Amino acid sequence: DAMVIQNPRYQVTQFGKPVTLSCSQTLNHNVMYWYQQKSSQAPKLLFHYYDKDFNNEADTPDNFQSRRPNTSFCFLDIRSPGLGDAAMYLCATSFSAYGYTFGSGTRLTVV
Amino acid sequence: GESVGLHLPTLSVQEGDNSIINCAYSNSASDYFIWYKQESGKGPQFIIDIRSNMDKRQGQRVTVLLNKTVKHLSLQIAATQPGDSAVYFCAENKDAGNMLTFGGGTRLMVKP
Repeated sequence: DAMVIQNPRYQVTQFGKPVTLSCSQTLNHNVMYWYQQKSSQAPKLLFHYYDKDFNNEADTPDNFQSRRPNTSFCFLDIRSPGLGDAAMYLCATSFSAYGYTFGSGTRLTVV
Repeated sequence: GESVGLHLPTLSVQEGDNSIINCAYSNSASDYFIWYKQESGKGPQFIIDIRSNMDKRQGQRVTVLLNKTVKHLSLQIAATQPGDSAVYFCAENKDAGNMLTFGGGTRLMVKP
């Protein structure tokens, strides 16, 4: 089935050690998003790619970066993870403004 | 700033009863709304959506109502089942911004 796939499901990283989360999609959607979701909170948009155009949210820390090498893949890079970055990271896709589909998420633990 | 919010953080219902989850939004320019269900440890799962030119939309056991006059959105679940236990989020999308803004979430607990 067409879907949004996030790897890994669980990621443990050391404080300050760069980590990369990955997302792939088979929907051929033109927009890909990264959300951060902390416990008992709503997902918070970090940034999104509309095709190749990168759109950063104003309050997304510089510590978070993203890459989209092609339509199917998108990566979230956390340059120096802090304890406060422990969260569920959700990737989503859409075709323009509709058809939002979420992956299962990667739960990041910082030790 | 403008936001999407919910009235009740937790809703507890008896199995078989109907559930109503509410959401208030403040951005009158929003034209598309989605309800998501999120089970523990999983990503949000699409339930139903509605565009601003409609006031009601029905799916299987679910109905979404949109009242643009008071900027209110609700999700009705008929004959609630234990499998419906989850956190429910409403989300809004404003024109071509391609960005979903999520409400705070309501936890639905279904008692057997």
